[in-house]
Amino acid sequence: ETGVTQSPTHLIKTRGQQVTLRCSSQSGHNTVSWYQQALGQGPQFIFQYYREEENGRGNFPPRFSGLQFPNYSSELNVNALELDDSALYLCASRPASGGTYEQYFGPGTRLTVT
Amino acid sequence: GENVEQHPSTLSVQEGDSAVIKCTYSDSASNYFPWYKQELGKRPQLIIDIRSNVGEKKDQRIAVTLNKTAKHFSLHITETQPEDSAVYFCAASIANTGTASKLTFGTGTRLQVTL
Repeated sequence: ETGVTQSPTHLIKTRGQQVTLRCSSQSGHNTVSWYQQALGQGPQFIFQYYREEENGRGNFPPRFSGLQFPNYSSELNVNALELDDSALYLCASRPASGGTYEQYFGPGTRLTVT
Repeated sequence: GENVEQHPSTLSVQEGDSAVIKCTYSDSASNYFPWYKQELGKRPQLIIDIRSNVGEKKDQRIAVTLNKTAKHFSLHITETQPEDSAVYFCAASIANTGTASKLTFGTGTRLQVTL
């Protein structure tokens, strides 16, 4: 198991509400990416943070936003939840130096929007 | 943007047989190709990866091959065991340290190893 942790494990929200998901990166990793994995599909890239700034974004609307903190933990915020936002949300961390490209995933947060 | 296609979507093999999963990518700038194994309800787990300056990489029963000209790469699992049963995802990335390294995933292959 990797050192990447996420909370909460499961979450149920109502359409229109807002949600915050949290990720704690593996020690020494200062780059974190967030992915959305719908049931039966591969993960889809939402965005990436490096040194507390967003430095890459996938095809997701602005109501998906994030933060990265000095201790390299991060948050994913989703506003105005829609039914299609129901998915497994994964964060992945990697070191930004040392020539390493590997990304290690956390266990994910299962979000259900009703 | 990058597009990754993966085949087959399901694969059933008998224990001890080999399994091969194939992926193609569209962006010739992609230089990093990891494979992830995801068991039901668990996180994707990195099992092997390959960079574009290498044609083949092996780790015990698992190997990955890359053909840059044809833009396809494959996962080979030999002597399959029941614990190899899972969903396998290929991915491609234009990777660079310190910059965005978006992984574009394939649609997954459900591998079932039967006794």
